[in-house]
Amino acid sequence: NAGVMQNPRHLVRRRGQEARLRCSPVKGHSHVYWYRQLPEEGLKFMVYLQKENIIDESGMPKERFSAEFPKEGPSILRIQQVVRGDSAAYFCASSTRDTPNYGYTFGSGTRLTVV
Amino acid sequence: GQQLNQSPQSMFIQEGEDVSMNCTSSSIFNTWLWYKQDPGEGPVLLIALYKAGELTSNGRLTAQFGITRKDSFLNISASIPSDVGIYFCAGPGSSNAGGTSYGKLTFGQGTILTVHP
Repeated sequence: NAGVMQNPRHLVRRRGQEARLRCSPVKGHSHVYWYRQLPEEGLKFMVYLQKENIIDESGMPKERFSAEFPKEGPSILRIQQVVRGDSAAYFCASSTRDTPNYGYTFGSGTRLTVV
Repeated sequence: GQQLNQSPQSMFIQEGEDVSMNCTSSSIFNTWLWYKQDPGEGPVLLIALYKAGELTSNGRLTAQFGITRKDSFLNISASIPSDVGIYFCAGPGSSNAGGTSYGKLTFGQGTILTVHP
């Protein structure tokens, strides 16, 4: 029973390119969360999605960032026209519902480096 | 917005020593979570606390939910080299409307633990 799978593990992009980060939740989990971690900082919430719905995107930058969780396939976090400040580790977590006990399972993350 | 402050920021200890770290908030939390992050990996949940005053253990780890609901403590007894990592406290975040946004977590900045053999 695989956990949350994120790919790629490492991604290098030049300034101005697009970055696509993929997250396959634990089988049966219908809730996906994306977090960003800057070096030597804690994780910062970005977006909470259910299948085909964005529930809470209060942590998403207003421009260049978008996320989706289609009916079929992985959740995608897309960053357009990347800048150096986008360099960070991006983590995805999944759960069976918006559980009060926050039974998240985190993936191993995608480390984005913008050069 | 909500902020969680962890202390200390880092700790250097000898194998076998006990460790204590804490987390404080300016606002009340109904749930406190403690995570550990190994280098190059995602956070893993260690302990979850749901009631003020609650004391919960998981092996050599013990965590307490402060009575005021604005703080929490994590203790590690008899540390071993594999305890090395970053320890984060976390609690439910608030929605834009000011209520609790289920699923959304606010994390502290972490305590970096180094254990010397």
